[in-house]
Amino acid sequence: EDKVVQSPLSLVVHEGDTVTLNCSYEVTNFRSLLWYKQEKKAPTFLFMLTSSGIEKKSGRLSSILDKKELFSILNITATQTGDSAVYLCAVEARRYGGATNKLIFGTGTLLAVQP
Amino acid sequence: DGGITQSPKYLFRKEGQNVTLSCEQNLNHDAMYWYRQDPGQGLRLIYYSQIVNDFQKGDIAEGYSVSREKKESFPLTVTSAQKNPTAFYLCASSRGATSALSSYEQYFGPGTRLTVT
Repeated sequence: EDKVVQSPLSLVVHEGDTVTLNCSYEVTNFRSLLWYKQEKKAPTFLFMLTSSGIEKKSGRLSSILDKKELFSILNITATQTGDSAVYLCAVEARRYGGATNKLIFGTGTLLAVQP
Repeated sequence: DGGITQSPKYLFRKEGQNVTLSCEQNLNHDAMYWYRQDPGQGLRLIYYSQIVNDFQKGDIAEGYSVSREKKESFPLTVTSAQKNPTAFYLCASSRGATSALSSYEQYFGPGTRLTVT
């Protein structure tokens, strides 16, 4: 059965700290791994990773994928209170025969950044 | 402004009533999806549609129904057969649902929180 596991489940840090969020997966026919940030409502897209070892970066956020060890990390440096959110990891599994590719979501990591 | 809208934001219903959640997108996306989010669980796929007039069951379709009569719209009906309907419902869309060449990220609407008592 396909699964995506995120750790830790929750994390409390102080402004300025650096955090690393983990996502491991066991998915048949891996296609891509996506990170989303969910503050109160709609998850917003952060990164899509398809190749191992290539870091994707956006401001203070960066992410990398290891397809051999089946995991990804999301790093946030110099955290701010606005980074407080649930961070969701999702893995896209390719389906064949006209079936849609499927996104399997982890349960998320709740990050709280205190001033 | 392109995006996905869901309405209403909050919905309250009595047990035994059917209720329809709206999802509209003006992104010209082919694929649309409905997810359910419960505390401590990841998003779970209810239904998805790759193209107009076609839709497929996801992992937890029982007690739900959908239609896709227009590209822009993918309403979800929560029927009285759904055992635990109280949840946060998210609609999403993407450029395409199947591709051997590219993956497409899904864009999410703001969600509808349904409470059934």
